[in-house]
Amino acid sequence: GAVVSQHPSRVICKSGTSVKIECRSLDFQATTMFWYRQFPKQSLMLMATSNEGSKATYEQGVEKDKFLINHASLTLSTLTVTSAHPEDSSFYICSARASGGAYNEQFFGPGTRLTVL
Amino acid sequence: AQSVAQPEDQVNVAEGNPLTVKCTYSVSGNPYLFWYVQYPNRGLQFLLKYITGDNLVKGSYGFEAEFNKSQTSFHLKKPSALVSDSALYFCAVRDSGNNDMRFGAGTRLTVKP
Repeated sequence: GAVVSQHPSRVICKSGTSVKIECRSLDFQATTMFWYRQFPKQSLMLMATSNEGSKATYEQGVEKDKFLINHASLTLSTLTVTSAHPEDSSFYICSARASGGAYNEQFFGPGTRLTVL
Repeated sequence: AQSVAQPEDQVNVAEGNPLTVKCTYSVSGNPYLFWYVQYPNRGLQFLLKYITGDNLVKGSYGFEAEFNKSQTSFHLKKPSALVSDSALYFCAVRDSGNNDMRFGAGTRLTVKP
């Protein structure tokens, strides 16, 4: 299957700082990328959907000014957690959907563990 | 909007016994159904999917799932469990209108030797 990478895999930061997480589709073009958040022992919750060149669509309850999403190219989306606080500590997983074809399969990155002190 | 229910938080089976992890879904159109497995501090690993065709879908590591339209279910099965199958399993659904994927709450499978 296609490969989606995330960088960094782990990040620890101080409260009040901003953290950027990159999501790349390595061998295909992704017109749509998704960002999920997973708290310990819970399921993946969709945060936002981004289409290349357009503003992201955020799920209800997700602050768009806090979680900035940029999908500037068909292979790269970034999630920036601004002014991070301990309650933002979570496992963030991105997913990319290939363009074209009768069925657009969705591939998942390995996740980024964010810890805010 | 689509949704998924995994009624069991935890499933325990003995090694060598068959296992079943349950999943039911709700969509407005035709469902695309998926199973993923997650090991601690790792991302999701794809196991199998149902898009169309045969109701019995075979996937990775000996897993299979059966699509049952009348019961709106997509239970994951394996004839003989391994200790290494112990992990968190997620069922997910998209409707054929190409909306985003929604996940169930997850089921923790523990296979005891």
